[in-house]
Amino acid sequence: AQKITQTQPGMFVQEKEAVTLDCTYDTSDQSYGLFWYKQPSSGEMIFLIYQGSYDEQNATEGRYSLNFQKARKSANLVISASQLGDSAMYFCAMSPISSGSARQLTFGSGTQLTVLP
Amino acid sequence: DAGITQSPRYKITETGRQVTLMCHQTWSHSYMFWYRQDLGHGLRLIYYSAAADITDKGEVPDGYVVSRSKTENFPLTLESATRSQTSVYFCASRGKRGLTNNEQFFGPGTRLTVL
Repeated sequence: AQKITQTQPGMFVQEKEAVTLDCTYDTSDQSYGLFWYKQPSSGEMIFLIYQGSYDEQNATEGRYSLNFQKARKSANLVISASQLGDSAMYFCAMSPISSGSARQLTFGSGTQLTVLP
Repeated sequence: DAGITQSPRYKITETGRQVTLMCHQTWSHSYMFWYRQDLGHGLRLIYYSAAADITDKGEVPDGYVVSRSKTENFPLTLESATRSQTSVYFCASRGKRGLTNNEQFFGPGTRLTVL
């Protein structure tokens, strides 16, 4: 079984500053993937970034980076230079990625990020 | 690039009625998933499918039925709707399209209210 914990129900950040959203996970799988999704108020789920458990380097996608600390079982999302459009709910998720797995996602409860002007 | 669509987008029904939520994807992805989103729970997996005619239960399958006769369609049926099934339902698919083949692509969601 897999479990994702997001301990920050809500976060505030000033525009143009960086912010870190916390995510810890638990799994018995040897191979797994970690994901972050953004859900704006319009409701759609937008994929942001992915990190494989065997990837040695932290993933980056534009202003998003994933701070992966395997020993601590954490996969924090860092958003640099926050913009007003970053205000949204953010979900951390994980899936097994072994061969033959459907790779179904297990989600955390989310963090509501508000960017202040 | 039509992607993944869901219908209806909004649905109000009454307790005890049968409701079917539709999901259609144009990418020929093998894997499809149904999740429900409730406040405080994030998204939880209801059912998933690895291919046509292959389905399996997720975390919260009770009260739901799925079928997959064609690769592109994955309908979700609530055979006798209950108020506890009031939720937002997301369909997703995974296949050889994303950066890693691991990411799932989500439909826009269906907001279902059971009175």
